[in-house]
Amino acid sequence: DAGVIQSPRHEVTEMGQEVTLRCKPISGHDYLFWYRQTMMRGLELLIYFNNNVPIDDSGMPEDRFSAKMPNASFSTLKIQPSEPRDSAVYFCASSTLAGPSGANVLTFGAGSRLTVL
Amino acid sequence: AQRVTQPEKLLSVFKGAPVELKCNYSYSGSPELFWYVQYSRQRLQLLLRHISRESIKGFTADLNKGETSFHLKKPFAQEEDSAMYYCALSGAYSGGYQKVTFGIGTKLQVIP
Repeated sequence: DAGVIQSPRHEVTEMGQEVTLRCKPISGHDYLFWYRQTMMRGLELLIYFNNNVPIDDSGMPEDRFSAKMPNASFSTLKIQPSEPRDSAVYFCASSTLAGPSGANVLTFGAGSRLTVL
Repeated sequence: AQRVTQPEKLLSVFKGAPVELKCNYSYSGSPELFWYVQYSRQRLQLLLRHISRESIKGFTADLNKGETSFHLKKPFAQEEDSAMYYCALSGAYSGGYQKVTFGIGTKLQVIP
């Protein structure tokens, strides 16, 4: 398994543009998480899904952010319109209850570094 | 509410010196604690978890419920230990997912 796959790795866009980040979790994992990493706030959970259903989106900063998981192998995080303060690294992670470590041990993707000018 | 505090954003030590990365937590129930590490240009990955009671790459961490701490220690720092370290907390595993909260992270810099 190639692990959690995220794209794009780097995105530079202008304020006001729509940004879509993509994630493919590990096959068989039933939990998917979106985190945002910044110097000031560290790693913040934005939203997580269980079996493709959003469970907790209380970390989504505002309505400009939305996330979907149309099937077990794909999720998107969308920012529309983007603002400079959205610049950060966005991580996707997945986990499974079925593993020996349970769902609390996360496997992370490489991250998508977003810069909004 | 659950909270993880890592008081140091940057910790610099000389090669061969002991390392202690501090982590304190706040949680009303029975916690599970983790350390994750992110080496330069690599993915964030699990380093160790308290229930495993393992030593990984020479690192150990003991859960101290009295002091609500889970400090990460290594007796002799190596240059390859330079990385970003995150302490994380969840509720004790009970057959379902328990929300994982991360600290702000500590950057460890080992000076040759």
